[in-house]
Amino acid sequence: DTAVSQTPKYLVTQMGNDKSIKCEQNLGHDTMYWYKQDSKKFLKIMFSYNNKELIINETVPNRFSPKSPDKAHLNLHINSLELGDSAVYFCASSYTTGGTEAFFGQGTRLTVV
Amino acid sequence: GNSVTQMEGPVTLSEEAFLTINCTYTATGYPSLFWYVQYPGEGLQLLLKATKADDKGSNKGFEATYRKETTSFHLEKGSVQVSDSAVYFCALSVGAAGNKLTFGGGTRVLVKP
Repeated sequence: DTAVSQTPKYLVTQMGNDKSIKCEQNLGHDTMYWYKQDSKKFLKIMFSYNNKELIINETVPNRFSPKSPDKAHLNLHINSLELGDSAVYFCASSYTTGGTEAFFGQGTRLTVV
Repeated sequence: GNSVTQMEGPVTLSEEAFLTINCTYTATGYPSLFWYVQYPGEGLQLLLKATKADDKGSNKGFEATYRKETTSFHLEKGSVQVSDSAVYFCALSVGAAGNKLTFGGGTRVLVKP
């Protein structure tokens, strides 16, 4: 039973399109995250939600909008996709308590053509 | 701000060789430290963690000790296997920062038979 699942696993789309990535966790965690991994494998936090409230919003273009309908789900919507958005996007979840590890989904490889 | 620096790869080893991946950090506050591993085409998995100074994390033959005096968390394994080929990420989190992970750049390890 997958702990953190995100869909789709692969997404190929044209510039200018709008797309969404969905994430669900069944671990009972209260915090969820979106991370971006670029072509050089560098990982950076984008957003974090705690109990449906946005608590971290790094410097990310306004075209990226996270939505958390409940604490088990965190979706990422991207408007007007650009070539530079091509990356692997990882969803993760954890408890808020300091020192607890995050569990990651399998990633969504987004390719903008 | 918080940052993690780890040795660049790729690191190429023969089976049964000794592996060390250096990791140093800077942090505001008292961080927890993690090593994550990413196998080809997969998401990140927690390898080990340490939450306070002098703690040693260990798992699957890998070890790392939280050294506050040298702000380091070096990863070691005494005898690597081909199946250890992966990208290894050192990371830290500070509870006051929403428990987000700050990652190093990743080190690709290739173990040859």
